[in-house]
Amino acid sequence: GQNIDQPTEMTATEGAIVQINCTYQTSGFNGLFWYQQHAGEAPTFLSYNVLDGLEEKGRFSSFLSRSKGYSYLLLKELQMKDSASYLCAANAGNMLTFGGGTRLMVKP
Amino acid sequence: DVKVTQSSRYLVKRTGEKVFLECVQDMDHENMFWYRQDPGLGLRLIYFSYDVKMKEKGDIPEGYSVSREKKERFSLILESASTNQTSMYLCASSRGAGLQETQYFGPGTRLLVL
Repeated sequence: GQNIDQPTEMTATEGAIVQINCTYQTSGFNGLFWYQQHAGEAPTFLSYNVLDGLEEKGRFSSFLSRSKGYSYLLLKELQMKDSASYLCAANAGNMLTFGGGTRLMVKP
Repeated sequence: DVKVTQSSRYLVKRTGEKVFLECVQDMDHENMFWYRQDPGLGLRLIYFSYDVKMKEKGDIPEGYSVSREKKERFSLILESASTNQTSMYLCASSRGAGLQETQYFGPGTRLLVL
C-alpha cells in the first residue's frame, strides 16, 4: 500500500530557515508534490519533483531522493505569513496520496 | 488563473439526508477529484474522473457516489448522510491525461452531519 509520513507540527522563528521532511513508500512512484494550505483555505501548489535533487523557487526549495523515498521542503527567511500546513503528496499509480500535513507555526 | 469553485462553504445536514456537493472548474480540465480532509488523516481520495461520464473509485468511496455529466462539473453525492461523514470536502481539477499535472483545489465545503 501507499504510506506517506511527515511531522505533525513544527515551530520556527521569523527570519530563520526550516526544513519539513517527508518520507514515502509507494509503488509506481512518479513524483512528489508539496502544497501549502492556510487555515480554512484550499491547498495551493508549491512544487513538484520528479528527478533527484534540489529545486529552488525563491524562498522555497524542494528536494527529492527517489532511492531513499525521501523529500524535504526548505523555507528560508521565514515570514509570519508562512504559518500554514504543508502537505506532501506522492504521485504513484493513478492517484495522489497525501501525507497528514505538517502544521508550521512561525513566531516573532 | 485556474478557478475551482464549490457550491457551499458550510453545510449542515441531518443523518439520513441526501447531500449534493457541487464543484465547477473553468479551465477545461479533463481530470476532477473529490477528497475529504480530516485532522491527522490528511486528504483522502473519494472518487475521481478522467472524462465526462467516467468515474473511478479512490481510497474511500463507501457511502459516496459521483456524477460528471459535463466536463466542467463534478458532483459528490452522499446518498444517506451519516455523522462519520462530517468533514471538510475538497474538489480539485487538473489538465491532461495523467496525474503528472498539478491539481488545483477549490475552497472546500465544511459539512456537519447531525
